[in-house]
Amino acid sequence: GENVEQHPSTLSVQEGDSAVIKCTYSDSASNYFPWYKQELGKRPQLIIDIRSNVGEKKDQRIAVTLNKTAKHFSLHITETQPEDSAVYFCAASASGGSYIPTFGRGTSLIVHP
Amino acid sequence: GAVVSQHPSRVICKSGTSVKIECRSLDFQATTMFWYRQFPKQSLMLMATSNEGSKATYEQGVEKDKFLINHASLTLSTLTVTSAHPEDSSFYICSARDPDRAGYTFGSGTRLTVV
Repeated sequence: GENVEQHPSTLSVQEGDSAVIKCTYSDSASNYFPWYKQELGKRPQLIIDIRSNVGEKKDQRIAVTLNKTAKHFSLHITETQPEDSAVYFCAASASGGSYIPTFGRGTSLIVHP
Repeated sequence: GAVVSQHPSRVICKSGTSVKIECRSLDFQATTMFWYRQFPKQSLMLMATSNEGSKATYEQGVEKDKFLINHASLTLSTLTVTSAHPEDSSFYICSARDPDRAGYTFGSGTRLTVV
């Protein structure tokens, strides 16, 4: 089955700095990679996603890059703000079947004002 | 986007009792729903895949007789924690494929505390 590794587990930055979270996956059949933001006690919210036919996708301060050859993808947050503080999860899944996603362990991002 | 409603958000129960958690897809039909368990500061652990009209598929190590899943309609899946024990205390959350995009939409989660 799929195995998703996520690093770092904790990331502490100053407001205005950039933050990068990296994930690797093992199943070459995976072709959909969403990123979720989860605030304490709340549901994960999809913030950005990327498909395997695209190398990069950007949405305002958030961007995701994908390297299919190396089987890794990254989340980039620029100009971080205190409200970006949360746990971020990456996931990988393959089309077809039930689209069951495999989640990374999560990264706790702390943005200091 | 699609919305999944989950109830209750919090429940405290006594050891030995059963608790039912409901997940409803509000504006779409979900033939498949996923049930996760999340411990503090940990990732989402898939417990089972709930299939409308058929038996749920449980992940290895998850007791199907303890965590009963019923997906009787295209908009409702329930998870019943039977004979709950304190070690069952956790955050339970459901998810379904978002029909409008390729991602998944999550319920709001249920914080279960067994005393």
